[in-house]
Amino acid sequence: EIVLTQSPDFQSVTPKEKVTITCRASQSIGSSLHWYQQKPGQSPQLLVKHASQSFSGVPSRFSGSGSGTHFTLTINGLEAEDAATYYCHQSSGLPQTFGQGTKVEIK
Amino acid sequence: QVQLVESGGGVVQPGRSLRLSCAASGFTFTTYAMHWVRQAPGRGLEWVAVLSYDGSNKYYADSVKGRFTISRDNSKNTVYLQLNSLRAEDTAVYYCARAPYTIYWFDHWGQGALVTVSS
Repeated sequence: EIVLTQSPDFQSVTPKEKVTITCRASQSIGSSLHWYQQKPGQSPQLLVKHASQSFSGVPSRFSGSGSGTHFTLTINGLEAEDAATYYCHQSSGLPQTFGQGTKVEIK
Repeated sequence: QVQLVESGGGVVQPGRSLRLSCAASGFTFTTYAMHWVRQAPGRGLEWVAVLSYDGSNKYYADSVKGRFTISRDNSKNTVYLQLNSLRAEDTAVYYCARAPYTIYWFDHWGQGALVTVSS
């Protein structure tokens, strides 16, 4: 099983600040890494697919990068509505797995 | 627009069974793989099962293999998850999710159905 480890687990950020979340895979997964946002009481929403491809309708302040075992999700200019938990997810092999999540709080 | 609506959740005793349904609309159901992903209270996401667009391939997480069964009725645009021999650790919100291919990203999710296993 491919283990995904996110860092940090929690981040408290001021609006307009830049946020960087890291996801490391236990083995190389190419670009089969995707990012989701989950707001409290809601289902997850796809932000970035294939490591760096923004999903339709996602604000341009969200971007992804990386390949192999090291990936990042960047939020350029955090807005209040971005308070949520962010998860990475790999589809390189079965079972598909998720990172443990990174909770982003607005200061 | 794409809609996925789960139903069938509830409170069930350990060892008993439950069937979840996920009704799809707003897209061509027969061209998408369908997944179930669960989230225990206050915890992260756990992939549970996938069924290919035509029902020919299905895969399960080890934690549910032999107890859960995924199926689909393309005439009703619905995917199901049969949960047997339920355990307390199966307590979670169960989401159905759509994927362009069998092992790919999830581009749309339902609102979730809560399953509580308790005596």
